[in-house]
Amino acid sequence: AQKVTQAQTEISVVEKEDVTLDCVYETRDTTYYLFWYKQPPSGELVFLIRRNSFDEQNEISGRYSWNFQKSTSSFNFTITASQVVDSAVYFCALSAVDSWGKLQFGAGTQVVVTP
Amino acid sequence: DAGVTQSPTHLIKTRGQQVTLRCSPKSGHDTVSWYQQALGQGPQFIFQYYEEEERQRGNFPDRFSGHQYPNYSSELNVNALLLGDSALYLCASSLASGLTFNYGYTFGSGTRLTVV
Repeated sequence: AQKVTQAQTEISVVEKEDVTLDCVYETRDTTYYLFWYKQPPSGELVFLIRRNSFDEQNEISGRYSWNFQKSTSSFNFTITASQVVDSAVYFCALSAVDSWGKLQFGAGTQVVVTP
Repeated sequence: DAGVTQSPTHLIKTRGQQVTLRCSPKSGHDTVSWYQQALGQGPQFIFQYYEEEERQRGNFPDRFSGHQYPNYSSELNVNALLLGDSALYLCASSLASGLTFNYGYTFGSGTRLTVV
């Protein structure tokens, strides 16, 4: 069975501070994909990043970066120099490679950025 | 290019009633998945439709059923509504070929269902 744990329920920061969101996952699959989605108050889930399990290279995309460590089953996500528009719920999700994209989500972390 | 469109946006139903939610996938997408998101929780996979058939299903009772039409649009039906069915129902679309490589979905804004 798959499980995704986001231990942080809410994080509050002041604009321009960095925000790091933690994600720990469990899976028996040897090959899988990890995602981060953003859910603003409007409700739709917005795709942010995708990482496959056989590529542990960490990258930076604009103000977003991620730290994937297979040894500790963690896939943390950082927003650099946060902005008020980053306020949303962020979900970490896991998908097995043969699951036709079926996503297992964590419970989400509410990020509040104040001016 | 329209994204995923869901209707209605909000709905209030009485316990025991039946409800139908609708989804139009993003242009060019052929696969539709439905997720239930209870308040304060992450989305839970209900089922997925491809080529007008249910391809896979999550851990939901038979009260939850669906349909996909030749134009790829989809419906989610819930019978004998329970208070616990109150949630945001999200529709997500993708290309089947994209899902083979787990490229992910495009999500709609959801239908907020309240059962009273």
